[in-house]
Amino acid sequence: EADIYQTPRYLVIGTGKKITLECSQTMGHDKMYWYQQDPGMELHLIHYSYGVNSTEKGDLSSESTVSRIRTEHFPLTLESARPSHTSQYLCASSELGALDEQFFGPGTRLTVL
Amino acid sequence: AQKITQTQPGMFVQEKEAVTLDCTYDTSDPSYGLFWYKQPSSGEMIFLIYQGSYDQQNATEGRYSLNFQKARKSANLVISASQLGDSAMYFCAMREGPREAGNNRKLIWGLGTSLAVNP
Repeated sequence: EADIYQTPRYLVIGTGKKITLECSQTMGHDKMYWYQQDPGMELHLIHYSYGVNSTEKGDLSSESTVSRIRTEHFPLTLESARPSHTSQYLCASSELGALDEQFFGPGTRLTVL
Repeated sequence: AQKITQTQPGMFVQEKEAVTLDCTYDTSDPSYGLFWYKQPSSGEMIFLIYQGSYDQQNATEGRYSLNFQKARKSANLVISASQLGDSAMYFCAMREGPREAGNNRKLIWGLGTSLAVNP
């Protein structure tokens, strides 16, 4: 059973609000990832990290930012949410040097009105 | 060019029958890994099965098996004895390069196949 958590599971907010999506894992994994996914569509990698103080932008440009101050924690922040940010956000982690099997959290469904 | 191709946007199968979900890939790396994930309507991604490029035998995990045809660059997922709970999106993904600590490559994802199991 993967131990990776995301909060909140669902979030409905108004335009212009600052939000932080939380992601934590208790497996000690070095690698962590954020994906954005619209319903029934493919996953888009927006951020990833290979360890503390390491963050990189993914394949899909995103206005969000991330930080990795602790191994287990990889929060994603939107300074000013817009309706175009409405989507599902999936956090994942994997172990450096292993299969690269990614363990996923339950996701956060974000709706910006 | 797509590195992972899933040509079936949607598939239907009768309960208790077997179904094959297609995945073809494109890489020039001799060492790579292939993954299948399941995503139910609840949204979480569940790892199903893995095949390494040097694995001699096709991977199997319970009712899931991977039909790995290296020369054709295909890694199809076979689900035997389908159950209603198998209704979900299924994603194929690839890691290019060997599984070692120095490999920082990301997974490359397909567009997914939606599977519906009919009672």
